[in-house]
Amino acid sequence: DTGVSQDPRHKITKRGQNVTFRCDPISEHNRLYWYRQTLGQGPEFLTYFQNEAQLEKSRLLSDRFSAERPKGSFSTLEIQRTEQGDSAMYLCASSPSGQVIQPQHFGDGTRLSIL
Amino acid sequence: AQSVTQLDSQVPVFEEAPVELRCNYSSSVSVYLFWYVQYPNQGLQLLLKYLSGSTLVKGINGFEAEFNKSQTSFHLRKPSVHISDTAEYFCAVTRTGGGNKLTFGTGTQLKVEL
Repeated sequence: DTGVSQDPRHKITKRGQNVTFRCDPISEHNRLYWYRQTLGQGPEFLTYFQNEAQLEKSRLLSDRFSAERPKGSFSTLEIQRTEQGDSAMYLCASSPSGQVIQPQHFGDGTRLSIL
Repeated sequence: AQSVTQLDSQVPVFEEAPVELRCNYSSSVSVYLFWYVQYPNQGLQLLLKYLSGSTLVKGINGFEAEFNKSQTSFHLRKPSVHISDTAEYFCAVTRTGGGNKLTFGTGTQLKVEL
């Protein structure tokens, strides 16, 4: 169990630029989640995948955001035309699916700062 | 929809003292509850979970929590804290269906002092 891996750990960019983050889940986990955490707040759900299918997107996920998981393994989260309000920690989590609720395992996140 | 309330944004406590971090939830359906801990610039680490069965659940690092359905609470406790317990603690809830996405509270900063 190598844990959930996120890359990069930190990203600083200018307003209006596009950014892409990567998440590698625990290998046997077929569910993958993205959350956003702003300063002083708890994480907020953005979207999740089961295998390669994106099954739910939050209203927080504007049309500037897109997430993919093309082969059901790693996932990418892209933000186009970044805005100041996009500054946050972006957390990825993974879990198995099944009849019994399975806890989600989190990566260390990607901290995005918009200049 | 479900929600989580953590009323205490900060809890200062002296080392070796007991601590309780409060969590209340609201939901119209059966829920499953979690406590996560977050150290600076890191992700969330699972402390403990309540899925079913005994209402008193024990987790890592000496923490425990009690599920109280009538009071819709899931308070986290530790009988004797250590400096290394200084961190942000998040209560979270999910339900069956809907991909088991988590709804988090706003967190409680536990600061352990000498």
